[in-house]
Amino acid sequence: EIVLTQSPGTLSLSPGERATLSCRASQSVPSSYLAWYQQKPGQAPRLLIYGASSRATGIPDRFSGSASGTDFSFTISRLEPEDFAVYYCQQYGGSPWTFGQGTKVEIK
Amino acid sequence: QVQLQESGPGLVKPSQTLSLTCTVSGGSISSGSHYWTWIRQPAGKGLEWIGRIYRNGNTAYNPSLKTRVTISVDTSKNQFSLKLSSVTAADTAVYYCAREGLLGSGWFDPWGQGTLVTVSS
Repeated sequence: EIVLTQSPGTLSLSPGERATLSCRASQSVPSSYLAWYQQKPGQAPRLLIYGASSRATGIPDRFSGSASGTDFSFTISRLEPEDFAVYYCQQYGGSPWTFGQGTKVEIK
Repeated sequence: QVQLQESGPGLVKPSQTLSLTCTVSGGSISSGSHYWTWIRQPAGKGLEWIGRIYRNGNTAYNPSLKTRVTISVDTSKNQFSLKLSSVTAADTAVYYCAREGLLGSGWFDPWGQGTLVTVSS
């Protein structure tokens, strides 16, 4: 099974700042089959990015993703108040599909 | 747009079988090219993919749960279901149903709101 390790565990930032999250895979993820989700308390996760860098429908362009080998990056260019949440990466390149443990983006 | 809604008992006794149903609205399970999936999340923890089913009944399960999981589909009711047998406290979690992307693309969108299942006597 592909293990995804997210870092940092918590990111403390202010609105307007740039957030950069990392997700490292334990082995190659075929075709960059990696997605990013946002989860707020009491809510289901929401798909933001798929295919490592494609934004889902209706997702603002301040959210972006990239891939380099087994390292994946997710960036929020300018944090809005509604962006403070937990973010998960998920791979679907090898069964079973697996998730990272999450990065919490909190208000500094 | 497609919406999903989980339903089922919120409390299950240890050693019994957890049963949940996901009702799909705004779209048909039988007419699309999507897999339909179950995912769970223990309180304060991360997400775990349980398994998925296609409209023709083809399934795939997480090996960590495979011996206890059954996912089925009822296209006439536009529903799919999860059964998890021999539950323990470790199976206490919020259970989500979700739709996978087209043609087996394993990203999940949309999700149901989730339902909390507690395993306790």
